[in-house]
Amino acid sequence: DAKTTQPPSMDCAEGRAANLPCNHSTISGNEYVYWYRQIHSQGPQYIIHGLKNNETNEMASLIITEDRKSSTLILPHATLRDTAVYYCIVRIYGSGNTGKLIFGQGTTLQVKP
Amino acid sequence: DGGITQSPKYLFRKEGQNVTLSCEQNLNHDAMYWYRQDPGQGLRLIYYSQIVNDFQKGDIAEGYSVSREKKESFPLTVTSAQKNPTAFYLCASSINSVNTEAFFGQGTRLTVV
Repeated sequence: DAKTTQPPSMDCAEGRAANLPCNHSTISGNEYVYWYRQIHSQGPQYIIHGLKNNETNEMASLIITEDRKSSTLILPHATLRDTAVYYCIVRIYGSGNTGKLIFGQGTTLQVKP
Repeated sequence: DGGITQSPKYLFRKEGQNVTLSCEQNLNHDAMYWYRQDPGQGLRLIYYSQIVNDFQKGDIAEGYSVSREKKESFPLTVTSAQKNPTAFYLCASSINSVNTEAFFGQGTRLTVV
C-alpha cells in the first residue's frame, strides 16, 4: 500500500491561500489521491480526490504532479473555520481490493486572524 | 436527510464487557468501513464490507467482530478480548470500493473503565 508523507503542521493567515503539500512517491497506477479534513472530535469530511488531472470543486483545488509522486491541496481563501487536521490519502481500487483509505498523521492547519 | 449515523456519541462500559456500536446509512452505499482513532493519531481500519453478507478484516481486527446482514447496517462489537478498547470509533460508507468518496459518521467515543 502506498504511503503518504505530510508536514505535521502549517500556519496560514486568514484570507490567504493555504497550500498543503503531500508526498506519495510510491503511488501506483490504480491509486487515487484523496483529501479529507477532521475538526476535533468529529468525523473526517471529504474535500476532493483525483487520479492524475488537476481537480477543483467548491471547497478546494487539487494539483497533482505529472509523475503523480506528490500533490498539493489549495484552499484559495482560508478562513478560521478551515483550522483542522488535513489528511492526504491514497485509495486502492480494483478487483480484489478494498477501497480502503490509508490514513497517515495528517497536517494540522492553523488559520490565524 | 440522507447520511450515515453512529450511535451513541459517547459510551461507557466496564472492563470485560462486550459492547456494540451502531452504524446506519440510508445512502444506498454498498461499501462500509470501521476505523479506530487514538488521541493524536490517524485512523486505522478495523473491518470493512464491500457488499451485504460479506466482510473482511482490516489492519487491527483482533478483539472486534462485525456483521453485515442488511445493506444499511454495519454494527461493530468490541469484545472483552480487545486489550485497549478506549478510543474514538468512526464508521464510513461509500457507493463502492472503487473511486467514489467515503462519507464518515460523527463517531462514537468509547471509554472502558
